[in-house]
Amino acid sequence: DTGVSQNPRHKITKRGQNVTFRCDPISEHNRLYWYRQTLGQGPEFLTYFQNEAQLEKSRLLSDRFSAERPKGSFSTLEIQRTEQGDSAMYLCASSPPHADTQYFGPGTRLTVL
Amino acid sequence: KQEVTQIPAALSVPEGENLVLNCSFTDSAIYNLQWFRQDPGKGLTSLLLIQSSQREQTSGRLNASLDKSSGRSTLYIAASQPGDSATYLCAVPSDAGNNRKLIWGLGTSLAVNP
Repeated sequence: DTGVSQNPRHKITKRGQNVTFRCDPISEHNRLYWYRQTLGQGPEFLTYFQNEAQLEKSRLLSDRFSAERPKGSFSTLEIQRTEQGDSAMYLCASSPPHADTQYFGPGTRLTVL
Repeated sequence: KQEVTQIPAALSVPEGENLVLNCSFTDSAIYNLQWFRQDPGKGLTSLLLIQSSQREQTSGRLNASLDKSSGRSTLYIAASQPGDSATYLCAVPSDAGNNRKLIWGLGTSLAVNP
């Protein structure tokens, strides 16, 4: 399978707990994006990596959020001290060099109780 | 600041109809425009990408057009089928160098009834 994969697909956690999501982009895609989507809304940009460098973070990404892409391949998104407002679908997308089409994974749905 | 608007918000049609979904954007200086499909609770599937130099793109029963000067794009679906039922979103990349983060509309929720 050569698509973007995300794990876990669903996560239910209690308020105050930490969670970590993983995204595996399509092989050789150097650009990787994280978005967040709540019900009835379009996705909102969170952060962008080019290779291993995190080049932009949205103001939406509070200091409780951190993302890494240590070897320029997979990426992780960690949320510390989760709040109910963090409940959303977290989407990962990747793009190849010199092309703009973004290919999305299936998303991780987070529910904070 | 780029803003993307989609109308209608929802559409319900009988099977077999041809239909048009609309997308508008406030800043016409775009690199491209992308149409996506999203099934309930699922991720996004790219349908068509139109470069700024193009007027339209076609894939099967789908045709997307782009009029940069007026800030509009349309997605035309021919001979709609129940399997076309989904939310359709359009998105344009921000003007930020290599970071082509997408700015999204809220989508059009389409129901095609058998």
